[in-house]
Amino acid sequence: DTGVSQNPRHKITKRGQNVTFRCDPISEHNRLYWYRQTLGQGPEFLTYFQNEAQLEKSRLLSDRFSAERPKGSFSTLEIQRTEQGDSAMYLCASSVGQGVYGYTFGSGTRLTVV
Amino acid sequence: RKEVEQDPGPFNVPEGATVAFNCTYSNSASQSFFWYRQDCRKEPKLLMSVYSSGNEDGRFTAQLNRASQYISLLIRDSKLSDSATYLCVVNWGSGTYKYIFGTGTRLKVLA
Repeated sequence: DTGVSQNPRHKITKRGQNVTFRCDPISEHNRLYWYRQTLGQGPEFLTYFQNEAQLEKSRLLSDRFSAERPKGSFSTLEIQRTEQGDSAMYLCASSVGQGVYGYTFGSGTRLTVV
Repeated sequence: RKEVEQDPGPFNVPEGATVAFNCTYSNSASQSFFWYRQDCRKEPKLLMSVYSSGNEDGRFTAQLNRASQYISLLIRDSKLSDSATYLCVVNWGSGTYKYIFGTGTRLKVLA
């Protein structure tokens, strides 16, 4: 499978716990993006990387959220002290170059905070 | 004004009908435009790019009106399999390839 891979597919956690998601982009794609999507809404931009550099982070992203892409390959998104409002689908996408041909999305990680 | 606005629908149309969706965007510096399709509980998938001169891909036609800052998607001869949410996507400003998504327009094609 040469697509964008995300793990886990589903995560249920108790409020206050930390969670970490992983994204493996398409190997030749140097840009990687994280989005969050809630029911009835479009994907909302969180952050993106070019290689290992985090180039932009949404102002909507609280300090509880952090993302890394240590070697310019896979990326992790960590949420600390989860809240019920964090329940959403977390989508990872990658693109070659600047994404002029659009992104390829992974299947997402569905987070439920109880 | 929202960055990218779409009518959420739903649009319920019979099979074989022609349906059109519009999307408006607020940043006049945006340069790249796309339509994505999203099936229920699945990830968005690229349907087509939108070019200045308009472009067609089979039953799908996309158009861009820079002066009025809107893009459109026309689907001809609707199939049951076209039922999905259609997301309008715009890059946010000149020189950035951070893409902003609309909330999506739901289409249901009825037998």
